[in-house]
Amino acid sequence: KAGVTQTPRYLIKTRGQQVTLSCSPISGHRSVSWYQQTPGQGLQFLFEYFSETQRNKGNFPGRFSGRQFSNSRSEMNVSTLELGDSALYLCASSPGTVGTGELFFGEGSRLTVL
Amino acid sequence: GENVEQHPSTLSVQEGDSAVIKCTYSDSASNYFPWYKQELGKRPQLIIDIRSNVGEKKDQRIAVTLNKTAKHFSLHITETQPEDSAVYFCAASPFYNQGGKLIFGQGTELSVKP
Repeated sequence: KAGVTQTPRYLIKTRGQQVTLSCSPISGHRSVSWYQQTPGQGLQFLFEYFSETQRNKGNFPGRFSGRQFSNSRSEMNVSTLELGDSALYLCASSPGTVGTGELFFGEGSRLTVL
Repeated sequence: GENVEQHPSTLSVQEGDSAVIKCTYSDSASNYFPWYKQELGKRPQLIIDIRSNVGEKKDQRIAVTLNKTAKHFSLHITETQPEDSAVYFCAASPFYNQGGKLIFGQGTELSVKP
């Protein structure tokens, strides 16, 4: 089974720009969640999508948004980039039902904001 | 709000010694507590998890204990080996192993010296 795939792996943007990151989950997984990883803050939950609906949301500003498509692929968007948005963005997939909680992470998209 | 405190932030042990990492959670509704291991430059991977109706779980050299009253859970690694060197993250969730939203601790960088 193919693992979780994230694109792009690396990207550099400047302040004020926007960025879209993509995540393809493991086949059959309906839950996709997004995390921001930084050295100082660890892993912080952004949001989770399940069957095209946002099921849970973290404490990030509205500049961070996401969506999920009918094939379970997910995208997250960050608008009006700030220097502090520089981070590794990890997505994780899981079947999404009770008792199937292991998260399978992708390798991440490393965003640098200049 | 929801918070998970993890200690220590760094831990250095000699090969063959035991290592203990401790976490405290704030949300009384938390009922699922996984531990993830992230090797340098790699994605986090689940190593063990425990549900709130269980006090202890063991898998070979790894064990996790849970004290619901104190809102405290710990990871114990016995007979450590150099390949145990990594960053370990504890996490908590109120969604009973449904996947998606996890509140992570800050991480513990474990170094096992041969």
